[in-house]
Amino acid sequence: EVQLVESGGGLVQPGGSQRLSCAASGFTFSIYAMGWVRQAPGKGLDYVAAISGAGGTKYADSVKGRFTIFRDNSKNTVYLQMNSLTAEDTAVYYCAKVRGRGGHDAFDIWGQGTMVTVSS
Amino acid sequence: DIQMTQSPSSLSASVGDRVTITCRASQSISTYLNWYQQKPGKAPNLLIYTASSLQSGVPSRFSGSVSGADFTLTISSLQPEDFATYYCQQTYSSPITFGQGTRLEIK
Repeated sequence: EVQLVESGGGLVQPGGSQRLSCAASGFTFSIYAMGWVRQAPGKGLDYVAAISGAGGTKYADSVKGRFTIFRDNSKNTVYLQMNSLTAEDTAVYYCAKVRGRGGHDAFDIWGQGTMVTVSS
Repeated sequence: DIQMTQSPSSLSASVGDRVTITCRASQSISTYLNWYQQKPGKAPNLLIYTASSLQSGVPSRFSGSVSGADFTLTISSLQPEDFATYYCQQTYSSPITFGQGTRLEIK
């Protein structure tokens, strides 16, 4: 079964850091791009970052310079390192797999999400 | 960044109705437009990719089309499980962007 399981969410103080993990199973992880999408409470979907199978990265402007996406293909895991967090980063963070191997594909598999709350 | 505008923002319909949701991009995105369904407390679910391709396992009552700059998601005959929020997404250029969502409610 193809599955993504996120972990690492929780309560963090403004200005703090948090690292999210997403463990993948059921597919050849190393050949697929992966991404992170977030959703603030009661709001819509907001793209955060993506990483290709080879490690190339892209970011939303709102997180560029603060967040880092990286992957460990030996562990079938993608990470999101989040620094300098603000209340505006409070959201459910979803990990997602890109459907194909091209550069313009949809997210076909999603994790269950992990909640990050930035508050003092 | 490419802006994606969905309409309507909300919609009330009855079981059995035919429903259409439209998405327009602020610039050309070829056919790199995808549709997702999201139910409360759940992750999004891919319905349609590259404007008109039905994702495996998705019922055939869902379809996607494009006419000029307008992309359309159609549900041919609403079922009770279809009441949810729908999002379009462009993957033509980075950063990927989503529409604001269309909430489909029971009339």
